[in-house]
Amino acid sequence: KNEVEQSPQNLTAQEGEFITINCSYSVGISALHWLQQHPGGGIVSLFMLSSGKKKHGRLIATINIQEKHSSLHITASHPRDSAVYICAVNLNFGNEKLTFGTGTRLTIIP
Amino acid sequence: DAMVIQNPRYQVTQFGKPVTLSCSQTLNHNVMYWYQQKSSQAPKLLFHYYDKDFNNEADTPDNFQSRRPNTSFCFLDIRSPGLGDAAMYLCATSSQTGAYEQYFGPGTRLTVT
Repeated sequence: KNEVEQSPQNLTAQEGEFITINCSYSVGISALHWLQQHPGGGIVSLFMLSSGKKKHGRLIATINIQEKHSSLHITASHPRDSAVYICAVNLNFGNEKLTFGTGTRLTIIP
Repeated sequence: DAMVIQNPRYQVTQFGKPVTLSCSQTLNHNVMYWYQQKSSQAPKLLFHYYDKDFNNEADTPDNFQSRRPNTSFCFLDIRSPGLGDAAMYLCATSSQTGAYEQYFGPGTRLTVT
């Protein structure tokens, strides 16, 4: 079992829909990251969280440390949001390494 | 703009022919990472430098080497590429080790023929 699990693996939605991507982890962490990767492209860091909630434009990330769960929300989704979204964590021990989830492939249809 | 730059973006090499991938950064970060990402898989950390201190992952093959001549530059050398080394190679930086944001470059896609 992966230490970091994401759901869903694939998500297709219509433009304008509210999107939620979930991440659950089974170990103690010092921080959680949400990353975005466009096809054939590099990775962009969207958020780094250790508690609470962060918002940047149409993107919102939340984390519940007790439940070991984080969500990434996209409001008013747009075709340019189509990408793979990756959840990654810094473990409490050996925390310089990122442990990655399997990614969620999001497709927004115009 | 401060950034992480990788060259080349696409590299084709022949089986067994040494290849070097380059990463540079204008962020003045202490830490530089090299990841290997194969199709539809998560990135896999190969090694990282904290300043000049080299940290190799236990399962990184000896075929992969790295050099960091100064703060700004880091190189990935693949001594004898095999077909299984075809992948996207991602460079990333962070200001410190630990729970700090990592800044990724655009990647170099390596093809081995």
